[in-house]
Amino acid sequence: AQSVSQHNHHVILSEAASLELGCNYSYGGTVNLFWYVQYPGQHLQLLLKYFSGDPLVKGIKGFEAEFIKSKFSFNLRKPSVQWSDTAEYFCAVKGGTGGGNKLTFGTGTQLKVEL
Amino acid sequence: DTAVSQTPKYLVTQMGNDKSIKCEQNLGHDTMYWYKQDSKKFLKIMFSYNNKELIINETVPNRFSPKSPDKAHLNLHINSLELGDSAVYFCASSSGLSQAFFGQGTRLTVV
Repeated sequence: AQSVSQHNHHVILSEAASLELGCNYSYGGTVNLFWYVQYPGQHLQLLLKYFSGDPLVKGIKGFEAEFIKSKFSFNLRKPSVQWSDTAEYFCAVKGGTGGGNKLTFGTGTQLKVEL
Repeated sequence: DTAVSQTPKYLVTQMGNDKSIKCEQNLGHDTMYWYKQDSKKFLKIMFSYNNKELIINETVPNRFSPKSPDKAHLNLHINSLELGDSAVYFCASSSGLSQAFFGQGTRLTVV
């Protein structure tokens, strides 16, 4: 079955630092990839998604992610984080071998941005 | 209009009780899900329905029973609640391989 790994569980950064969060999935084939954000006490909201085309996708709030098919990766980046980016970030995958329409999430990365 | 709405938002109940959480989506999606988020924020899929038909049933105790009266609704009924059932339960919906839209979550506390 499809699985998703997020390597960083807790990340602490100072404001204006650059961010990169890793995400790898296990099975290939045609996949749709997502990053969701969950602000404290809130529900999950979509940051960005990749379906096809340009492997570098831009999302809301200055986030971007790069799909590298050969590495089964979809890392999230932001050049300069803000205090308001403090949240839980989830990578998710749909499709791929053994995936189907099931949306499989990684374990999440808790980001804390300090002033 | 809220795209995916679930009720109640908070639910505090005693062990052994039976409770239900309701979910409705007005996006015209054909697939709905229930996820459980534990205290470590880990999101685990519980069930998925496509056009009222159960398509995913992960390893979940059979005290949990989903019901989909139509493709816009997916309710979750839980029998004989246990302390370990305390979590935030999220409903979501999607169409095909597109993104999922999530409800606000139901924080269930079993005492």
